Amino acid sequence: EVQLLESGGGLAQPGGSLRLSCVVSGFTFNGYAMNWVRQAPGKGLEWVSVISGSGGSTDYADSVKGRFTMSRDNSKNTLYLQMNSLRAEDTAIYYCAKEKGDYNGHFDYWGQGTLVTVSS
Amino acid sequence: EIVLTQSPATLSLSPGERATLSCRASQSVTGYLAWYQQKPGQAPRLLIYDTSKRATGIPARFSGSGSGTDFTLTISSLEPEDFAVYYCQQRINWPRTFGQGTKVEIK
Repeated sequence: EVQLLESGGGLAQPGGSLRLSCVVSGFTFNGYAMNWVRQAPGKGLEWVSVISGSGGSTDYADSVKGRFTMSRDNSKNTLYLQMNSLRAEDTAIYYCAKEKGDYNGHFDYWGQGTLVTVSS
Repeated sequence: EIVLTQSPATLSLSPGERATLSCRASQSVTGYLAWYQQKPGQAPRLLIYDTSKRATGIPARFSGSGSGTDFTLTISSLEPEDFAVYYCQQRINWPRTFGQGTKVEIK
């Protein structure tokens, strides 16, 4: 059974940092690209970032480029999102999502999400 | 960036009725469009990928069609558990983008 479990969310001050983690099981982790997708309260879905199965390639939404860094540890089946210079508009539920393949681009499994709140 | 526009914003229907949801892209996505269902407090769930392929475990009452810039998700006969928000998403281009969602509510 495929499982994704995020952690690391919480309250951060504007300009602060948080590091999200996503531990996965039930599939060959290094064979799939992984993504972070966020959802602001009461709003729709926004793609944030992607990392290839090997970890050698990443891409980011313009809204987070230069502030967020996505990485993975394939030996630990774990995905990370380092979030720096946080802004109020980063407040959202952050979901990790598995792609159907490596850089397939559709998301077939999602975690339950972790809430990030940026406020003073 | 490819903008996906979903219509209607809200669809009010009764169980057993047919639901037709639309997603229009600002430029062609060929057939690289997916549909997701999201219920309150839950993560999205993949229903349809590459326009018309049902994801694992998705009932046959869900079907997708279209090509280029115009796509449709059809639920042939609404079950009580189908009342939710539905999003379309394209994978032909970066950044990956989602539509703003269509809420299917009980009439």
